[in-house]
Amino acid sequence: SYVLTQPPSMSVAPGQTARIPCGGNNIGIKTVHWYQQKPGQAPVLVINDDSDRPSGIPDRISGSNSGNTATLTISRVEAGDEADYFCQVWDTGSDHNDHQGVFGGGTKLTVL
Amino acid sequence: EVQLVATGGALIQPGGSLRLSCVASGFSVTSNYMSWVRQAPGKGLEWASLIYSGGSTYYADSAKGRFTISRDTSKNTVHLQMNSLRAEDTALYYCARVRVTGSYFSLDYWGQGTLVTVSS
Repeated sequence: SYVLTQPPSMSVAPGQTARIPCGGNNIGIKTVHWYQQKPGQAPVLVINDDSDRPSGIPDRISGSNSGNTATLTISRVEAGDEADYFCQVWDTGSDHNDHQGVFGGGTKLTVL
Repeated sequence: EVQLVATGGALIQPGGSLRLSCVASGFSVTSNYMSWVRQAPGKGLEWASLIYSGGSTYYADSAKGRFTISRDTSKNTVHLQMNSLRAEDTALYYCARVRVTGSYFSLDYWGQGTLVTVSS
C-alpha cells in the first residue's frame, strides 16, 4: 500500500515561512490534498488538487507537488496557524480497481 | 449551508457491532461521494470508507469484510455499519463530503465526529 511520510513536528517564528513536506514514492504523479486540524476540531481542507485553495483559505497558504515530495507552504506565519497538518492522496492499488484514501502521519506546527 | 452531523458512537465490547449515522444538510448525499475517516485518540487521520454517488463502495484494508457504508436517501444520511469490532477500532469517526474536481477527490466538509470505544 502507498505510504506518505511527514515530519512529526516543526516550529517556526511568527512572520516566517513554514514549509511542510509530504514524501511519497513518485508522489508528483498523484494529486495531493492538505488538511489543517486544530485541537478539538474537525479537519479543514486548506489545499486541494496539489495547489488550489478552497474558498476562505488565505493566499498565505499554498501547495506544490513534484518528484517524491509535496509541500505545504505557509507564508507570514501567524499564531492562528498553529495546528496539525495532514497530506492525503488516493491510491488505486496494483490492479487500479481499488480506491483507497491515504493520509500522512501529520505534522504538528508550533508557532514560537 | 452544508452541515454534517455524525451520531451513533458508543462504548462497545470487542466483537460487537455498531452503526454510525451521518445526517447531511445543504446538499444531497446521493448526488455526492461520501467518506468516513477515523482518528484514534492522540493519533493521525485514517481513511476508512468511500461511497460513490453511483453506489460503488471502497474500504480500507482494516475495514474490509467488517464495515459497510450505505446511504438512506429518504433521510439524506450516510451510515457506517461496523461488525466484529476490535480494540484498535477505538477512534473518533468523522464523516466527510467528497469534493470531486475532474478526477480528483478531496474532503471538503467534515462533521464533528462521533466517538467509538471498543473495550470490555
